[in-house]
Amino acid sequence: ETGVTQTPRHLVMGMTNKKSLKCEQHLGHNAMYWYKQSAKKPLELMFVYSLEERVENNSVPSRFSPECPNSSHLFLHLHTLQPEDSALYLCASSQELLADSFEQYFGPGTRLTVT
Amino acid sequence: GQNIDQPTEMTATEGAIVQINCTYQTSGFNGLFWYQQHAGEAPTFLSYNVLDGLEEKGRFSSFLSRSKGYSYLLLKELQMKDSASYLCAVMDSNYQLIWGAGTKLIIKP
Repeated sequence: ETGVTQTPRHLVMGMTNKKSLKCEQHLGHNAMYWYKQSAKKPLELMFVYSLEERVENNSVPSRFSPECPNSSHLFLHLHTLQPEDSALYLCASSQELLADSFEQYFGPGTRLTVT
Repeated sequence: GQNIDQPTEMTATEGAIVQINCTYQTSGFNGLFWYQQHAGEAPTFLSYNVLDGLEEKGRFSSFLSRSKGYSYLLLKELQMKDSASYLCAVMDSNYQLIWGAGTKLIIKP
């Protein structure tokens, strides 16, 4: 238990569906992140939030839409996804925006399958 | 471009020692992280190196050579629970984390 929870743990959706992934951190951290993890590939950073402000969007398709209503919660809204979007989506948090030795705390991830 | 290389998979025997290597080419360097990820679980922090040398933490040690762009994670007295993927990540000069694809470690009795 890392102090970061994600729901749902598994999600199967069609290409025309709309769904949302939820992340909550109980650590009092100020920065939160969305990553995509595909088999045998490096973690891909998707979005970064610091104090509820988006500070980074790494050329992510618009079918992924993040939302950070407060420093403890982070959402990833999904719509009209493609099969290649099937992956493990990881949420992480850190004390501050990544700098020096700040480690990240990861949630268990949502395993997404797009059919 | 920026790149992190680590072996895809390694196999070792329970009770033995294993060394997982990581080489990197990045725009600047602000530290190197190792994370452990069990199948279906969250990655968890193992170590952080920013200066050259060996950092020891129980059965796990991490080494860094900045001049060679090289690090390794050393696991001693291997236990079955050490079967996991080990992720190497480097923080570049812009404080961006560049991740390797991970090394899957299989421990056999």
